[in-house]
Amino acid sequence: QVQLQQSGPGLVKPSQTLSLTCAISGDSVSSNSSAWNWIRQSPSRGLEWLGRTYYRSKYRSKWYNDYAISVKSRITINPDTSKNQFSLQLNSVTPEDTAVYYCAREGSSSSSHFDYWGQGTLVTVSS
Amino acid sequence: DIQMTQSPSSLSASVGDRVTITCQASHDITNYLNWYQQKPGKAPKLLIYDASNLETGVPSRFSGSGSGTDFIFTISSLQPEDIATYYCQQYDNLPLTFGGGTKVEIK
Repeated sequence: QVQLQQSGPGLVKPSQTLSLTCAISGDSVSSNSSAWNWIRQSPSRGLEWLGRTYYRSKYRSKWYNDYAISVKSRITINPDTSKNQFSLQLNSVTPEDTAVYYCAREGSSSSSHFDYWGQGTLVTVSS
Repeated sequence: DIQMTQSPSSLSASVGDRVTITCQASHDITNYLNWYQQKPGKAPKLLIYDASNLETGVPSRFSGSGSGTDFIFTISSLQPEDIATYYCQQYDNLPLTFGGGTKVEIK
């Protein structure tokens, strides 16, 4: 059974960096058939996909990242193979970044769906 | 970006009723569509993937259909535990996008 456990601060000051971590059990961050995503949810923006990281070795072994254009200049998602986890960093936050942040596994090599989710972290951007 | 439009935004139905939610994509997404259920304070839960495939362990009263731009999600007989908000999500193109949600309540 896959489990995702999120950690990180619930309060971030404007202009600072939001940092969250998602620890994985029951799967590997280096899996060739999974991708590791960050999604946020707010009343004003609904469910918003932020980005993902994944490893593929079919043609050339490497890590890939995809990011939403809306946050592309501010976001970094990194895998940590030593701890089997991945992280989200969002720079230069504003109150508009206040939301519940979720990590989620995108499983299956033949399809794409978020089959496992973290518990969610409410992050408030405020001074 | 592919816009996903759900309707209605909310509905009220009686226990045992058949409930239908529609999701329209702004572009043809073939069958690259998933449905999720979210209860208050919880993360979304996958119910249907690839438009019509029931996720393991999900009750058979939930079903999905459609292709191209128009999709339907159905609860064949509404149960009290189905009170939640339901979302569609496309994966035909990045960015992955969600519908605005349909809140289902008991009448």
